[in-house]
Amino acid sequence: AQKITQTQPGMFVQEKEAVTLDCTYDTSDPSYGLFWYKQPSSGEMIFLIYQGSYDQQNATEGRYSLNFQKARKSANLVISASQLGDSAMYFCAMRDRAVGDSSYKLIFGSGTRLLVRP
Amino acid sequence: NAGVTQTPKFQVLKTGQSMTLQCAQDMNHEYMSWYRQDPGMGLRLIHYSVGAGITDQGEVPNGYNVSRSTTEDFPLRLLSAAPSQTSVYFCASSARDSLSTDTQYFGPGTRLTVL
Repeated sequence: AQKITQTQPGMFVQEKEAVTLDCTYDTSDPSYGLFWYKQPSSGEMIFLIYQGSYDQQNATEGRYSLNFQKARKSANLVISASQLGDSAMYFCAMRDRAVGDSSYKLIFGSGTRLLVRP
Repeated sequence: NAGVTQTPKFQVLKTGQSMTLQCAQDMNHEYMSWYRQDPGMGLRLIHYSVGAGITDQGEVPNGYNVSRSTTEDFPLRLLSAAPSQTSVYFCASSARDSLSTDTQYFGPGTRLTVL
């Protein structure tokens, strides 16, 4: 069954330091996509970064990078040089096609609340 | 460019009432979906659609109906609201039903309270 696990309900990081948010996944589909979204206190969902299962290199987008370890089924988000505005909920999500399904579905983890300290 | 719009932003219902949450997108996206987000939890997929006339169930479809008569609109219907349906509802769309890097564009959400 498709599953996304985020084991850190909350994290603290000092401003300007780097932080890693953990995400593990489980799927039987060899083709899948992994996403990270940010949800600030205002509630909107903001796309951060994407990693495809066949991508050879780890994805990077500015201060965000995805540490993709396929054999371990992990897709951790690394935020470098944390800023106060990074304080938010962060969700890992996976898009794949389960056995018997004809379409792709995007499934979310439970999220990690990040608080950046000045 | 409006993107994904949702109405209403807030709604209070009494148990047993029915209502429709509206979702529209102006990006000609094929794929649309509805999620609910309960406090302290991630988004859970309710229903989705890969194109006009095609809908399917997600993780938590019970108590909700959807239809997709046009590419632009994907309304979510609560036939008989229950307190367990108190949640924030997000509509999302993406260009295709695929594993491409097409992102899901999310609407601003509807906060629903059922008394």
